[in-house]
Amino acid sequence: QSALTQPPSASGSPGQSVTISCAGTSSDIGAYDYVSWYQQHPGKAPKVIIYEVNKRPSGVPDRFSASKSGNTASLSVSGLQVEDEADYYCSSHEGGSTLIFGGGTKLTVL
Amino acid sequence: EVQLVESGGALVQPGGSLRLSCVASGFSFSTNFMSWVRQTPGGGLECVAKINPDGSGKYYVDSTRGRFTISRDNAKSSLYLQMTDLRADDTGVYYCATEIWWRLDSWGQGALVTVSS
Repeated sequence: QSALTQPPSASGSPGQSVTISCAGTSSDIGAYDYVSWYQQHPGKAPKVIIYEVNKRPSGVPDRFSASKSGNTASLSVSGLQVEDEADYYCSSHEGGSTLIFGGGTKLTVL
Repeated sequence: EVQLVESGGALVQPGGSLRLSCVASGFSFSTNFMSWVRQTPGGGLECVAKINPDGSGKYYVDSTRGRFTISRDNAKSSLYLQMTDLRADDTGVYYCATEIWWRLDSWGQGALVTVSS
């Protein structure tokens, strides 16, 4: 059982927007601004696309945005493109020494 | 360019041992926290171990504490994970990754560990 809760799937058509949620608790997401999001294409390693709640690493399109409200974080993808089809994972600091992850959301671009 | 290359993955019987290695290049290895992240066949991710830059601090998830040992050799820009008493639920792809302020910044390509008789 994953420590953070994500919907198993999400979908949208090209050009549309989609939002993926990540629910935690007051001990992890609610307590720290160290939420990250990772994108993973089949057969590849995960890649960080959002860190510290809403910051984008260099090279990540601004179609990807994220936020946090209370104990829940959200990743939004606008102007969906075919190449956005992938698995998305959230993670958070939880006060200890390691990270916790969500179970992952498979994003399908219809 | 940051590169992390894992090796040592294999098929091993339950109760067996295995040592994974990760060679780093393209960045200052000796100043970075490093982590081993496991991805189960079902897709879930779990940080199984983490080590601080000089190797004096090591952290483990409950399921691996006492069985796994993380270490590093900064002179060789290498990270290791010694795994003992392996169980079926240790099966997965093991990635080494740099960790910067609670984000896993760079990842290797992964090493497959299968625990089965």
